This record gives sequence, C-alpha cells and structure tokens, in this order.
Amino acid sequence: GAVVSQHPSRVICKSGTSVKIECRSLDFQATTMFWYRQFPKQSLMLMATSNEGSKATYEQGVEKDKFLINHASLTLSTLTVTSAHPEDSSFYICSASVDASNQPQHFGDGTRLSIL
Amino acid sequence: AQKITQTQPGMFVQEKEAVTLDCTYDTSDQSYGLFWYKQPSSGEMIFLIYQGSYDEQNATEGRYSLNFQKARKSANLVISASQLGDSAMYFCAMRELPSANTGNQFYFGTGTSLTVIP
Repeated sequence: GAVVSQHPSRVICKSGTSVKIECRSLDFQATTMFWYRQFPKQSLMLMATSNEGSKATYEQGVEKDKFLINHASLTLSTLTVTSAHPEDSSFYICSASVDASNQPQHFGDGTRLSIL
Repeated sequence: AQKITQTQPGMFVQEKEAVTLDCTYDTSDQSYGLFWYKQPSSGEMIFLIYQGSYDEQNATEGRYSLNFQKARKSANLVISASQLGDSAMYFCAMRELPSANTGNQFYFGTGTSLTVIP
C-alpha cells in the first residue's frame, strides 16, 4: 500500500521555538495533503488542505501565521508551528491522497509535540 | 448536520466473536466514498476498507467487511473473529468529490473505541 512518512515522530521543545514537521509520500504523487490535529480521545480536526504549488486552504479558526504550510512538491508538505506555546502541544498527523472519491487518505504516523 | 455519525463511543467484544461498528452518513452527492480507519494507541491511522457509492456489493478485506445500506445511508464495519490486536479506535470517513465551493473533502466521525476481551 501507499506509504506516507512523517518526521519527526516526537518533539519536545521550549516555548517560543518554531517546529517544522515534514510529510512525505514515498511511493506515489499526492495531489493533496492534509494536516490534522488530534486531542486525546477525540477525532481528527482538519487544520488545512494543501495542494502542490498553491497556498494551503485553512479551516476556520486555524491561524495561518501560526501554522505555516508549504507544499513544495507532489511528495512533500511541511507544517511549521511558529513560536510554539504550551497550548500548541498536541498530536499532529498528516495525510496524502490523490484526487478521486474512491481514493483513501494515507496517513503518516503522526508527531507528538510537547511544548514546555 | 453531521456528515458522519458514529453513535457508539465504546464497544466491547469477546475474543473470536464478531462485532459491528455503526456509521451513518449524510450527503446529497451521488458519487462519494466511504472509508474505515483503525487507530491503535500508538497513534497511526491505518486504512482498513473502502466502499464506493456505486458499488453494489459490500466491500470485504480479510476479517473486515462493510455492511453498506445506501438507502439508509449507513456503512457499518463488521469485524469477524475478533483478536486482541483489534483493540483500537475506529473512525468512519466519507469523501466527496471537490465542487466549485469546496476542495477535496474528507469527513470523519467521532470514532468508536473497541476493546477486545480475552
């Protein structure tokens, strides 16, 4: 099956640090990549949708300047949490897909971000 | 209105028994896809099974089958011969085609926590 690599898997850093998370589709070209945030025992919360070469579409309530998304190629998207604070601590998970209703999202393994 | 509804926050099943996880959906599109994902405690999302809106037969993948009732807009997941490793969160999801107003859209339910009892 399709493989999506997400790195790093865990980050612990000080408040005020910026953290970059990478999401790569290893064996297919992803038309669209999605970034989610997940709180404990809750469902996935879509943060933004990104298409290669264009600006990301952010969901309502998600700060564009706080969560910078770059989708430089069909196989790579990055999420940068700028000037992270403890309230940004969460599980972030990316997914990649091609554009068709019969195609699933293929997820990375997620990143556990802890801001001290 | 919720696009995906999972009404069972938690379920228990005896090992080797079958279990059904409920999922109903809401869409006015004719073409859509339905998916089930498994999320173990380690966090990764594992794609289990897919059902297309035009598929006449229920999807099956090993011990997983999808009970698709289009008129009732339900897409229940059936796990046969439950194993201890099946204990996890299970999410039902729907994908609609992009439209003029929206991009690619996936909708997830709130999930069902399944515990398999030895």
